[in-house]
Amino acid sequence: ETGVTQTPRHLVMGMTNKKSLKCEQHLGHNAMYWYKQSAKKPLELMFVYNFKEQTENNSVPSRFSPECPNSSHLFLHLHTLQPEDSALYLCASSQSGRPYNEQFFGPGTRLTVL
Amino acid sequence: AQTVTQSQPEMSVQEAETVTLSCTYDTSESDYYLFWYKQPPSRQMILVIRQEAYKQQNATENRFSVNFQKAAKSFSLKISDSQLGDAAMYFCAYRSGNAGGTSYGKLTFGQGTILTVHP
Repeated sequence: ETGVTQTPRHLVMGMTNKKSLKCEQHLGHNAMYWYKQSAKKPLELMFVYNFKEQTENNSVPSRFSPECPNSSHLFLHLHTLQPEDSALYLCASSQSGRPYNEQFFGPGTRLTVL
Repeated sequence: AQTVTQSQPEMSVQEAETVTLSCTYDTSESDYYLFWYKQPPSRQMILVIRQEAYKQQNATENRFSVNFQKAAKSFSLKISDSQLGDAAMYFCAYRSGNAGGTSYGKLTFGQGTILTVHP
């Protein structure tokens, strides 16, 4: 595997389900990000992790719970979601420390909440 | 807070022609970085080009170039000799260079422009 991978690619869940999204980066980066992409809206940054530590939580509801066990893996645990949470969830990684550094994105997980 | 505005929800271009996508941004910072990302229908977003605000020279990457007007806070993307593979959603993004600021490292995106390339 190369770059940034995300699983699953598609997920349909009910409002009472609990599921997790997984992201893995194979680039040796030390910063990882979760973004939400909704139709007709700019990408919204949700969480940032630097060296496994959460450095930004962009006022995300507690029904989204991130986990970063190491610099290569990032999870987004989902529970009691709402239909408006349906969106494309993108993971990205970069080498932290320099804002010039490119963020590399995964293909995303298309989430549908029924 | 910084904002990024892409005023063209959709654009179209004929193959081999040139198209320019607009982007404006609002910031009070002097040190920042600007990016154009491309998101093809397969969804994996990739970097097209980037510009450091302190550099006056416009960035160029093969058929892609930018027109960076710092005073006007404008950062447009020009695609020359358009190809069918250029069809995608294009996002303009801003990143603060102010280390220690609350938005350091955070990418702020515009709403995106869907580019269609006609054969």
